[in-house]
Amino acid sequence: SYELTQPLSVSVALGQTARITCGGNNIGSKNVHWYQQKPGQAPVLVIYRDSNRPSGIPERFSGSNSGNTATLTISRAQAGDEADYYCQVWDSSLVVFGGGTKLTVL
Amino acid sequence: EVQLLESGGGLVQPGGSLRLSCAASGFTFSSYAMSWVRQAPGKGLEWVSAISGSGGSTYYADSVKGRFTISRDNSKNTLYLQMNSLRAEDTAVYYCAKDNLPYCGGDCYLGSDYWGQGTLVTVSS
Repeated sequence: SYELTQPLSVSVALGQTARITCGGNNIGSKNVHWYQQKPGQAPVLVIYRDSNRPSGIPERFSGSNSGNTATLTISRAQAGDEADYYCQVWDSSLVVFGGGTKLTVL
Repeated sequence: EVQLLESGGGLVQPGGSLRLSCAASGFTFSSYAMSWVRQAPGKGLEWVSAISGSGGSTYYADSVKGRFTISRDNSKNTLYLQMNSLRAEDTAVYYCAKDNLPYCGGDCYLGSDYWGQGTLVTVSS
């Protein structure tokens, strides 16, 4: 079965740029979606189809996908961005989530 | 305003059954595929199942295949998850989620843009 690998944690200084990676075999050929989840809350879709932002998501959130790695980039990180982030793909009639990355804003 | 409201969670013994419901409003329910996603306490997200807008196509994670059944009643704008032969490892918050784009699902799945607040299922003796 297809696997997605994310770092357990990423730290970023307030106002700097955070990059969260999602690794998978030839993931560049798949559509990657990203979710933000804060404690006690449901997930929120922040990027779909690699680099598209749903309405209401700040432009500070962007995504890219190539080769074996997809990346979620959060520019000008704010305290409110501190959350768990999950990547997701559809593969062989299944939805696969990455293990999640805890983003800490210092 | 899109709203998804799950219900039906609770405490059940191992081997027991439970049916979850997700009442949808604020969008044309039959036009969108829907999913169930769960999250065990302190763990990450795990996709459980999905169903096309018409209900004609269903998809399951290997961990629940043969035990769980997803269905929908488009006349009632309601999504269901029938869970049988429950195990301790099924303990989780179960979320229903709406597909991002209409008339999609399956290979054209483009994420889930609205989620309910979840219902807790606890499997324990």
